[in-house]
Amino acid sequence: KQEVTQIPAALSVPEGENLVLNCSFTDSAIYNLQWFRQDPGKGLTSLLLIQSSQREQTSGRLNASLDKSSGRSTLYIAASQPGDSATYLCAVRMADNFNKFYFGSGTKLNVKP
Amino acid sequence: EAQVTQNPRYLITVTGKKLTVTCSQNMNHEYMSWYRQDPGLGLRQIYYSMNVEVTDKGDVPEGYKVSRKEKRNFPLILESPSPNQTSLYFCASSSVGRGVEKLFFGSGTQLSVL
Repeated sequence: KQEVTQIPAALSVPEGENLVLNCSFTDSAIYNLQWFRQDPGKGLTSLLLIQSSQREQTSGRLNASLDKSSGRSTLYIAASQPGDSATYLCAVRMADNFNKFYFGSGTKLNVKP
Repeated sequence: EAQVTQNPRYLITVTGKKLTVTCSQNMNHEYMSWYRQDPGLGLRQIYYSMNVEVTDKGDVPEGYKVSRKEKRNFPLILESPSPNQTSLYFCASSSVGRGVEKLFFGSGTQLSVL
């Protein structure tokens, strides 16, 4: 069974820093990988989706990379802002059954002004 | 506006009293699913549906039922809720086909079973 791990569980950085969030998965047979943002009391908002054949995706200050063979993805946030404070989750969609999604437990990010 | 709508947002009930959480999407998505989110465990898939009248179990289906009579609606039913079903529940939907289909989430339902 797929296991998705996100380390660290929490991260606190001063405003303006560049930072990297990590996501690892045990089964490399994935269909795609998606990064989400979750604000307290709210649902998940999709940030970036990387297809299994891609290496990275960029949106504004966000860049997500995927190394499928090693079971790793990173989310890079440039020039962090207090508004980036949230919990970030990664999720993989499986290639052998794309009805199946597996989520990490998330990294709670706090960007201090 | 494209969205997934869940109701209610908050629900407090007692053990054994049947309840239904509704979910509706306006994006004509084939795929819909339910998740529960518990501290330290992340989101776990309860049930999913690939289309009308097609549903299947996720990783934690015990104690839950679903139905998909219409493409836009996918209600979650707890026939006899128990305290271990206290959790934050999310409905999600996506299209299917080319590997680029994002998963869209509802705002969540916080359920407390006393």
